[in-house]
Amino acid sequence: QSVLTQPPSVSAAPGQKVTISCSGTTSNDENFSVSWFQRLPTTAPKLLIYDNNKRPSGIPDRFSGSKSGTSATLGITGLQTGDEADYYCGTWNSSLSALIFGGGTKLTVL
Amino acid sequence: QITLKESGPTLMKPTQTLTLTCTFSGFSLNTSGVGVSWIRQPPGKALEWLALIFWDDDKLYSPSLKNRLSITKDTSKNQVVLTLTNTDPVDTGTYSCGHVICLPPPRGPMVFNLWGQGTMVTVSS
Repeated sequence: QSVLTQPPSVSAAPGQKVTISCSGTTSNDENFSVSWFQRLPTTAPKLLIYDNNKRPSGIPDRFSGSKSGTSATLGITGLQTGDEADYYCGTWNSSLSALIFGGGTKLTVL
Repeated sequence: QITLKESGPTLMKPTQTLTLTCTFSGFSLNTSGVGVSWIRQPPGKALEWLALIFWDDDKLYSPSLKNRLSITKDTSKNQVVLTLTNTDPVDTGTYSCGHVICLPPPRGPMVFNLWGQGTMVTVSS
């Protein structure tokens, strides 16, 4: 069994920082790596972070990722109204040979 | 520049077979370490991974849907086709395809790099 747990929602004011947690329970592979995806309404999912803390080219350094043990965190600084979206963590489970997503976190920029 | 675009029916009746096509550009599925994956998102619900096909025709499926899914590629057309048999209203959602790359190639850890906007499919009687 492999489950990634995220808070349903987080909120913060423009210009502030927010963190989104992703807690994993996997039957194997303690060293699983986490990716983070952003989904704005009616747009394609966008990869923000891969391999726990790496940013693809074009992703601003306002977005950061970290992982400790079986928990990962996405950090977003300098919040903008355009950051309002659903955020998903994901990991490849090698025993299931499947990509597992968390339940998603809705970010509201107040 | 990598682009992916999904196409297929917008409305299905239960028990019908859903066939979706992903047409891509900017990369080749003949290149070592490259793959194309499908995900879906029911309205108001989370992302769900469905399937993945690699450059060498290796295929992987969601364990919960593997008996109903099939993924194939046509490298000459730069297309990947996903079929889902015996559809049900719970299969309603937005289906998206994405570019996958193994770093390092050929089979290093996968990066689900870029996704298409998706196509909405409704299954209803």
